[in-house]
Amino acid sequence: EPEVTQTPSHQVTQMGQEVILRCVPISNHLYFYWYRQILGQKVEFLVSFYNNEISEKSEIFDDQFSVERPDGSNFTLKIRSTKLEDSAMYFCASSRAHTDTQYFGPGTRLTVL
Amino acid sequence: EDQVTQSPEALRLQEGESSSLNCSYTVSGLRGLFWYRQDPGKGPEFLFTLYSAGEEKEKERLKATLTKKESFLHITAPKPEDSATYLCAALNAGNNRKLIWGLGTSLAVNP
Repeated sequence: EPEVTQTPSHQVTQMGQEVILRCVPISNHLYFYWYRQILGQKVEFLVSFYNNEISEKSEIFDDQFSVERPDGSNFTLKIRSTKLEDSAMYFCASSRAHTDTQYFGPGTRLTVL
Repeated sequence: EDQVTQSPEALRLQEGESSSLNCSYTVSGLRGLFWYRQDPGKGPEFLFTLYSAGEEKEKERLKATLTKKESFLHITAPKPEDSATYLCAALNAGNNRKLIWGLGTSLAVNP
């Protein structure tokens, strides 16, 4: 059964450093998403991506965040200058259409020291 | 403001003791209501999608229902392996479409 994969599973970084989180969405899906979940809090939408451009983004997704689909399979989230409050689980998801079910990856736990 | 509220926050059941989880939503033009299961440290695992009031979906011991204001996840004769956090999310309509999430119900099923 196709699934969304994410790497790394855990990333530890120093405050101010850049990190890139990687995702491989399900191959026939067209919509891609990033979410984050701070421990004990709700899942929060960051950004959606379709046809090689951002289709929606939240207030959280400011200038320090960027997304890219560098090739036909990968989808990345870059955080340019990490802050302590960026520590969270980051989930990638994909769907065939915008109203279709979103399937999630296992997540990357980002720890900013 | 679009909002999803789940209750109870935590629920402890004995194996075989059926119950229901509630998801109340206030969103502008519901485009879909989604139920996920989340195990600790893992990503949300898809369970059900409901698109219109009156719709029901069933899978093993779980059944999801939808009205115009809320959704229920009914768990019949639960087993310890059903222990997890159950998340509800609503997809809104309009120009800023996104999944709006509840905080989840943490379910523990004792053997």
